[in-house]
Amino acid sequence: NAGVMQNPRHLVRRRGQEARLRCSPMKGHSHVYWYRQLPEEGLKFMVYLQKENIIDESGMPKERFSAEFPKEGPSILRIQQVVRGDSAAYFCASSPNSPLHFGNGTRLTVT
Amino acid sequence: QQQVKQSPQSLIVQKGGISIINCAYENTAFDYFPWYQQFPGKGPALLIAIRPDVSEKKEGRFTISFNKSAKQFSLHIMDSQPGDSATYFCAASIRSNFGNEKLTFGTGTRLTIIP
Repeated sequence: NAGVMQNPRHLVRRRGQEARLRCSPMKGHSHVYWYRQLPEEGLKFMVYLQKENIIDESGMPKERFSAEFPKEGPSILRIQQVVRGDSAAYFCASSPNSPLHFGNGTRLTVT
Repeated sequence: QQQVKQSPQSLIVQKGGISIINCAYENTAFDYFPWYQQFPGKGPALLIAIRPDVSEKKEGRFTISFNKSAKQFSLHIMDSQPGDSATYFCAASIRSNFGNEKLTFGTGTRLTIIP
């Protein structure tokens, strides 16, 4: 959905580096979700945020992953010390409620 | 409990035919069942959705059939066209304790429509 903007579209990182993925929700939407899609799999929920608050992070890996949605600016998904298993497409979605509107994703490749 | 099983994994249908994709779920607390369409390099886009209080919903060539007792739902694409070639995901959600709709996705069906 063109309304949810994600960047970069493609990101290549070496093992051990940090990856920062950005998401600007649709205008007027204050809820942001992050999902991860591994090759040949469906999307898996990671985290749900509202402005300045993490509401539900039950799908986030316990280590190396963090997310924020500041008062001003985009939501950021941060992955520290990336490993090959982090290679995936990361999708952001926004909503006021249902339904969710997804961006075109960031494809992270860890070499 | 949170799993949504989708079949088939891939499907080839002739132009003009009917494409049928099936999903099954376990958690009876799910209360919203959307279908998403995804083209290569794009994010999933909502196609059609249903709540469990109805057994069928139709929008143009797309129909969801919902069987609450069997805990199954399916997507039917009538008069399938080459432009329908995409990956289709079923999903189910339950309003979580935090008030958000947390979608659980099936593993996807890669649909190819041949001339």
